Amino acid sequence: EVQVVESGGGLVKPGGSLRLSCAASGFTFSNYAMNWVRQAPGKGLEWVSSISSGAYHIYYAESVKGRFTISRDNAKDSLWLQMDSLRAEDTAVYYCARGSGSYGKYYFDYWGQGTLVTVSS
Amino acid sequence: EIVLTQSPGTLSLSPGERATLSCRASQSVSSDYLAWYQQNPGQTPRLLIYGASSRATGIPDRFSGSGSGTDFTLTISRLEPEDFAIYYCQQYGSSLTFGPGTKVDIK
Repeated sequence: EVQVVESGGGLVKPGGSLRLSCAASGFTFSNYAMNWVRQAPGKGLEWVSSISSGAYHIYYAESVKGRFTISRDNAKDSLWLQMDSLRAEDTAVYYCARGSGSYGKYYFDYWGQGTLVTVSS
Repeated sequence: EIVLTQSPGTLSLSPGERATLSCRASQSVSSDYLAWYQQNPGQTPRLLIYGASSRATGIPDRFSGSGSGTDFTLTISRLEPEDFAIYYCQQYGSSLTFGPGTKVDIK
């Protein structure tokens, strides 16, 4: 069974940092792109970042470019999102999602339960 | 950036009725790279349709997708109680963007 499990969310002050983790199981992690998608409270879905299966291609939404860094370790079946210079508008549930497709053209076929990030003083 | 518009914002229907949801793109979506997701309250999104018309694994055949270019449709042939949810379209032909969602609620 395909599973992705996020962790690392919490309360952080504006300007602070947080690192989210995603542990994958039930599929060959190294064969798939991985992604972060977020959802602000009561709002819709927003794509955040993607990383190709071999980590050669990385993509960011304009809203997080220069502040967030996505990475992965295929030996550990793990994905991370380093979030720096956090703002109130980054408050959201962050989902880890497996991507199907190639070269940044991904749809999301399996999603985790999400981890809540709250940016507030 | 391709902007997606979904209509209606809310669709009020009864179980057993047919639901037709629209997703319109500001530019043509290349290769029909359009997906649909369902999100029930408090739950994680679930992939329904990819490539505009291909059903994802385990999705019942009452869900169907159609369309091309800038106009896409998700049809639920007969609404079951578990189908009352929010539906999002997503294009993946040029960067990745989601529509604002259509809520299907019980009339």
